[in-house]
Amino acid sequence: SQTIHQWPATLVQPVGSPLSLECTVEGTSNPNLYWYRQAAGRGLQLLFYSIGIDQISSEVPQNLSASRPQDRQFILSSKKLLLSDSGFYLCAWSQGTFNGEKLFFGSGTQLSVL
Amino acid sequence: AQKVTQAQTEISVVEKEDVTLDCVYETRDTTYYLFWYKQPPSGELVFLIRRNSFDEQNEISGRYSWNFQKSTSSFNFTITASQVVDSAVYFCASTGGGNKLTFGTGTQLKVEL
Repeated sequence: SQTIHQWPATLVQPVGSPLSLECTVEGTSNPNLYWYRQAAGRGLQLLFYSIGIDQISSEVPQNLSASRPQDRQFILSSKKLLLSDSGFYLCAWSQGTFNGEKLFFGSGTQLSVL
Repeated sequence: AQKVTQAQTEISVVEKEDVTLDCVYETRDTTYYLFWYKQPPSGELVFLIRRNSFDEQNEISGRYSWNFQKSTSSFNFTITASQVVDSAVYFCASTGGGNKLTFGTGTQLKVEL
């Protein structure tokens, strides 16, 4: 069966510090991978998605970047965090390019930038 | 572009009451998919249902039921005889051209004893 792992679960970082959140998927190959951010009181905003290694699409201009060094690994990074980067970050995967594919989510990372 | 509106920010009910969560979507696509996800306090989103734009048949799964009406662009979710374990944030979402989900802002459901 497929599983998705995301870590860390919580993170408190000072403004201006770097960030690296990691997500891995097991039990499948060539998944589509996604990073979402959930700000307090808001819905989920798609940040990045990837259909293959080194194929990353950015949905919104921001202080963050994403990389996919391996087929089932998706990393969210920042060189210098801003206060506005605080939020709940969710990694997700789906199989195939069919636009009705359901997404499977990780357990999320609560990031607080102070 | 897709847009999903969940006008109800928070709903509180007493256990065993029925509750309906509203979802209105906007799309220019003729083929699209609609979803509901549940986000319990643990944070992980759990898939509940997916419907395609060509299938307006309502669906029932245990205490959960969904009412899809293209004429009003709505995909409402009803929980019958609510339980405390139903307390969560519920998200409606849609896809259109492309494999990206657009989420609503969510409805916080609180079921109290």
